[in-house]
Amino acid sequence: EAGVAQSPRYKIIEKRQSVAFWCNPISGHATLYWYQQILGQGPKLLIQFQNNGVVDDSQLPKDRFSAERLKGVDSTLKIQPAKLEDSAVYLCASSLDRRNQPQHFGDGTRLSIL
Amino acid sequence: AQRVTQPEKLLSVFKGAPVELKCNYSYSGSPELFWYVQYSRQRLQLLLRHISRESIKGFTADLNKGETSFHLKKPFAQEEDSAMYYCALRGGGADGLTFGKGTHLIIQP
Repeated sequence: EAGVAQSPRYKIIEKRQSVAFWCNPISGHATLYWYQQILGQGPKLLIQFQNNGVVDDSQLPKDRFSAERLKGVDSTLKIQPAKLEDSAVYLCASSLDRRNQPQHFGDGTRLSIL
Repeated sequence: AQRVTQPEKLLSVFKGAPVELKCNYSYSGSPELFWYVQYSRQRLQLLLRHISRESIKGFTADLNKGETSFHLKKPFAQEEDSAMYYCALRGGGADGLTFGKGTHLIIQP
């Protein structure tokens, strides 16, 4: 099966600019996650979708981050405006359902803020 | 609040030696524990989960609720085991994972 697809692989922007990341989960996977991985740390959950609804966004900095999964398949994560501390790898993961299936990760988007 | 601690940032052992990657967690309920691995230039992937009680690539991990630990072990390390290893926890009604900071395992020839 095709894995989780993410684009772009790399992005460099200046602080205060906007950026968007795209994720296409494995076909048929209802649950989609976005994680932020800062250098030297483990991934940190930002938001979880079940189909097109948000299940958990408690750790999403909502003043600057937003995410959507309008048709319950692809998802976009946006940062506006970006800060220096947003430099990280943004990982997308999907699973067949919420709890009993493993999460499959994409390659991530590496974001650098200048 | 739930937390996962991996005390070693880097662990270097010789090929054929035993390996133990430490993981301790903090969680008040009954957690699910996982080990994820990331080989060089590859994506993060699940290695094993405690509820499966299986051995993958010779690795095993036992959940010790008394010591709140989930250490990863392998009796004889191989060079292809060199990678980043992350311990992760899922607890309560949440589905998202809480990860440790990871341990970089280097197997020397």
